Amino acid sequence: ILNVEQSPQSLHVQEGDSTNFTCSFPSSNFYALHWYRWETAKSPEALFVMTLNGDEKKKGRISATLNTKEGYSYLYIKGSQPEDSATYLCALMEYGNKLVFGAGTILRVKS
Amino acid sequence: EAQVTQNPRYLITVTGKKLTVTCSQNMNHEYMSWYRQDPGLGLRQIYYSMNVEVTDKGDVPEGYKVSRKEKRNFPLILESPSPNQTSLYFCASSWTENTEAFFGQGTRLTVV
Repeated sequence: ILNVEQSPQSLHVQEGDSTNFTCSFPSSNFYALHWYRWETAKSPEALFVMTLNGDEKKKGRISATLNTKEGYSYLYIKGSQPEDSATYLCALMEYGNKLVFGAGTILRVKS
Repeated sequence: EAQVTQNPRYLITVTGKKLTVTCSQNMNHEYMSWYRQDPGLGLRQIYYSMNVEVTDKGDVPEGYKVSRKEKRNFPLILESPSPNQTSLYFCASSWTENTEAFFGQGTRLTVV
């Protein structure tokens, strides 16, 4: 079973700050890396799915990169807004079709 | 509207009383899966299904059963629930294992 680690566990920033968090994993033996955004009392929603080393994806103020050789992915949020407050989940789809999630990074943006 | 629908949203039951949580998707997705979420832990996969009549164990399958008789439905069955199965459960579906997953609204289960 892959061990997917996310850091930091939680983050408190001011509105307008840019922030980033990390997803680390020990192996490049997987199909894809997923990022999800999970707001309280809602369902997780997909942000990105990345499959190749060097992949970069962007959606508005949020972007992500993938480095399979060194085993990490970064999620960046530029100019954080209060509505960005959520738990950000990283997950790896292993060969064998199991999706393994990290514990998440909780982001709180103060206005 | 494309969606994954779980029922019920909330359930309190007693130890040993069989229950089923239903999951249905209207996107013709092939891949479906069940997860449980416990405090301090990430979402953990219980079972998944690659297609009709094809199911396999995830990381925490003990105490659960699933079936996939139709493409759209993937019910989760607890034959004899125990208090350690008190958790928040999510069903999800996707086109393939390489594409984004769409999650249901969640089912909060309490076993007393």
